[in-house]
Amino acid sequence: GAVVSQHPSRVICKSGTSVKIECRSLDFQATTMFWYRQFPKQSLMLMATSNEGSKATYEQGVEKDKFLINHASLTLSTLTVTSAHPEDSSFYICSARDGRGGTDTQYFGPGTRLTVL
Amino acid sequence: GESVGLHLPTLSVQEGDNSIINCAYSNSASDYFIWYKQESGKGPQFIIDIRSNMDKRQGQRVTVLLNKTVKHLSLQIAATQPGDSAVYFCAENIKGYSTLTFGKGTMLLVSP
Repeated sequence: GAVVSQHPSRVICKSGTSVKIECRSLDFQATTMFWYRQFPKQSLMLMATSNEGSKATYEQGVEKDKFLINHASLTLSTLTVTSAHPEDSSFYICSARDGRGGTDTQYFGPGTRLTVL
Repeated sequence: GESVGLHLPTLSVQEGDNSIINCAYSNSASDYFIWYKQESGKGPQFIIDIRSNMDKRQGQRVTVLLNKTVKHLSLQIAATQPGDSAVYFCAENIKGYSTLTFGKGTMLLVSP
């Protein structure tokens, strides 16, 4: 159990366009999902916490108008990178919190490689 | 050790050896810890977790040790295999908070 999927796995877009990334928990309901960004050879940087039915909580320095997060159901959260620029190129990873058993274990999706030309 | 810039600490072992990956955590209020394995180009994969009321937990070929006195966590992998080659991250959680704080990661290289 505890499988998280992400789509697309990789995307290449032109500068100025918007890109939507989907994160789904496949076999459990996740009231909380998380979006991370990861640069090569570095650790995961938390961008925002996505709560079902409410606004996302963004980490300091993350532009909420640029990285739009929607958590419309207990199994789906989306991240939209608006007006993407080359500096937004990165590996974006989502995770879903599995609260069963009283733990705060996060299970991760496979990641999305975004390249902005 | 600490990573500097883009250089991850690296542990190189021979196939069949036992590997020990260490992690120092910073917050004494952390009460839940997780080890993740991340292969190149993939998302982190849950390996094993431990709560602060325990000092040892075993899984299949893996053991996590927790020393709260010195805020130290380790992951032991028995009979390391080439497929174990990856970056390993520790993560800590404070009760009541949903977020995890990740360590810098250690790259494990297993040679046949």
